[in-house]
Amino acid sequence: NAGVTQTPKFRILKIGQSMTLQCTQDMNHNYMYWYRQDPGMGLKLIYYSVGAGITDKGEVPNGYNVSRSTTEDFPLRLELAAPSQTSVYFCASSYSGGGYTFGSGTRLTVV
Amino acid sequence: DQQVKQNSPSLSVQEGRISILNCDYTNSMFDYFLWYKKYPAEGPTFLISISSIKDKNEDGRFTVFLNKSAKHLSLHIVPSQPGDSAVYFCAASASGGYQKVTFGTGTKLQVIP
Repeated sequence: NAGVTQTPKFRILKIGQSMTLQCTQDMNHNYMYWYRQDPGMGLKLIYYSVGAGITDKGEVPNGYNVSRSTTEDFPLRLELAAPSQTSVYFCASSYSGGGYTFGSGTRLTVV
Repeated sequence: DQQVKQNSPSLSVQEGRISILNCDYTNSMFDYFLWYKKYPAEGPTFLISISSIKDKNEDGRFTVFLNKSAKHLSLHIVPSQPGDSAVYFCAASASGGYQKVTFGTGTKLQVIP
């Protein structure tokens, strides 16, 4: 099993550009999440989904959008990149009540 | 408002000795606690968890202790091995509703051979 797959692993964006971070899981988990990790700040929840067609905001949703059209996929969209969005982004999935399985992360730099 | 706090950003321990990583929380609604381990350039991996109905959970070399009255939990690693060198995140969630987990800022453990 691949688990949770994130692409790309690295990306440099210019201010104002847009991009989509891809996340796919093959474990049939109903819950999926997007976190960002800033240095010394731990993991902050951006958006989460409890199933296909259902998404909700986390702690730091501003500047991001998500969709969940299938159980497997949970892409994260940045519409107008800003330097404050420079971070490492982690996608995760879980069964209800279970521990998370994380992807390996996407390191994004906005210049 | 940091609801889950790991006040030690780093810890160094000799191989074979005990590593103790600490975590404090402020939200009294939290009733499920987890520890994750993270190597550089990888995502965090689930290590061990404990429910608030217990005060101890053990899995091999890893034991988590929960003190609900003090809102404190700790992870003990015995004996520590060089491969344990990683960043350890404490996390907590409240039952009911969705499975949102709040993470601490992490403690970087270095096990010295």
